[in-house]
Amino acid sequence: EIVLTQSPGTLSLSPGERATLSCRAGQSVPANYLAWYQQRPGQAPRLLIYGASTRASGIPDRFSGSGSGTDFTLTINRLEPEDFALYYCQQYGNSLTFGGGTKVEIK
Amino acid sequence: EVQLLDSGGGLVQPGGSLRLSCAASGFTFSRYAMTWVRQAPGKGLEWVSSISISGSNTYYADSVKGRFTISRDNSKNTLYLQINSLRAEDTAFYYCASGEGPHDYWGQGTLVTVSS
Repeated sequence: EIVLTQSPGTLSLSPGERATLSCRAGQSVPANYLAWYQQRPGQAPRLLIYGASTRASGIPDRFSGSGSGTDFTLTINRLEPEDFALYYCQQYGNSLTFGGGTKVEIK
Repeated sequence: EVQLLDSGGGLVQPGGSLRLSCAASGFTFSRYAMTWVRQAPGKGLEWVSSISISGSNTYYADSVKGRFTISRDNSKNTLYLQINSLRAEDTAFYYCASGEGPHDYWGQGTLVTVSS
């Protein structure tokens, strides 16, 4: 099983700032099959990024993903009020596993 | 509009059973593998099970293997999860999701509570 470790656990930022979220895998993620999801309170997760860096349909370009192998990053430029939420990474290259999540909260 | 409608959750005693359903509409269900993901209250996401397009291949997390059974009826555009021998640690929201990763579409979730 590929274990995914997300950091930090909580990120306290102000609207307009940049958020940088990390997802580290215990072993290399095959083909960089790494996705990022956003989950707002009381809602189902929403796909943001897949293949480590490809934005899903309808996702604003302030969201970007990067990385390869074992180290991946989700960057959110110019935080909007609706971006304060939970974020999860997922690898789908070898079965499926999720990271523990990062909460982006308003400072 | 794509919709996945999860249902079948409820309060059940330890050792009991439930069958969860996920009714799909707005996309060609029979062309997608499907997945169940759960989330204990206040906790993170956990993959539970996936099924291939035809239903001939199924996959399970170790935590549910032997107790849960995933299935689908492509003629009814419906995904199922039969959950048996329920334990307190199975208490969670259960979401159906399209694909085997990444998951474009998600249901709204159905809550399973295991308690005496």
